[in-house]
Amino acid sequence: RKEVEQDPGPFNVPEGATVAFNCTYSNSASQSFFWYRQDCRKEPKLLMSVYSSGNEDGRFTAQLNRASQYISLLIRDSKLSDSATYLCVVKTGTGNQFYFGTGTSLTVIP
Amino acid sequence: DTGVSQDPRHKITKRGQNVTFRCDPISEHNRLYWYRQTLGQGPEFLTYFQNEAQLEKSRLLSDRFSAERPKGSFSTLEIQRTEQGDSAMYLCASSLAGVLQETQYFGPGTRLLVL
Repeated sequence: RKEVEQDPGPFNVPEGATVAFNCTYSNSASQSFFWYRQDCRKEPKLLMSVYSSGNEDGRFTAQLNRASQYISLLIRDSKLSDSATYLCVVKTGTGNQFYFGTGTSLTVIP
Repeated sequence: DTGVSQDPRHKITKRGQNVTFRCDPISEHNRLYWYRQTLGQGPEFLTYFQNEAQLEKSRLLSDRFSAERPKGSFSTLEIQRTEQGDSAMYLCASSLAGVLQETQYFGPGTRLLVL
């Protein structure tokens, strides 16, 4: 079983829509959670860390559900510039490895 | 620019040749990670260093791959006797260990094509 699983999509949404991505992780001892954004042929860039109480950064909201072992990312009022691949990342407590999902592709359509 | 840098950005080589990539982390970061990424996949962990010590290597890392971080600053990743299956983006990331939420920052990557 993979450490981190994501729906690869693609998600095609109109401008202004709200879209949500989920990601599940297998190791209940996981400690740190992140969402990264990756544009085509570029490196991943940190979008936001995910905290236990959930957190918001502008149009982006991240949630963590430890009981069900998933994290989510909600994007409100989608912009064309939000088109990218969103990577879910989990760091376990037993080692120092970061595990990446395969990414979810988002295209925002005018 | 004080971010992570990688060199070269692109490398084309023939099968059987050796290649070496360099990564310069963010200066105050003590951890440095190497990843490989192929199309449609997330980055796959290869190895990481804390200061100059290589602490963990993935089972993906065959004996043709070797990495060093001799002075605890920059790192090199060498692939010997390259194979076509080595074609991928090689990403380096650095982080500061010991903080509440260790966060990785990536370099632009080295895109390798083995012919």
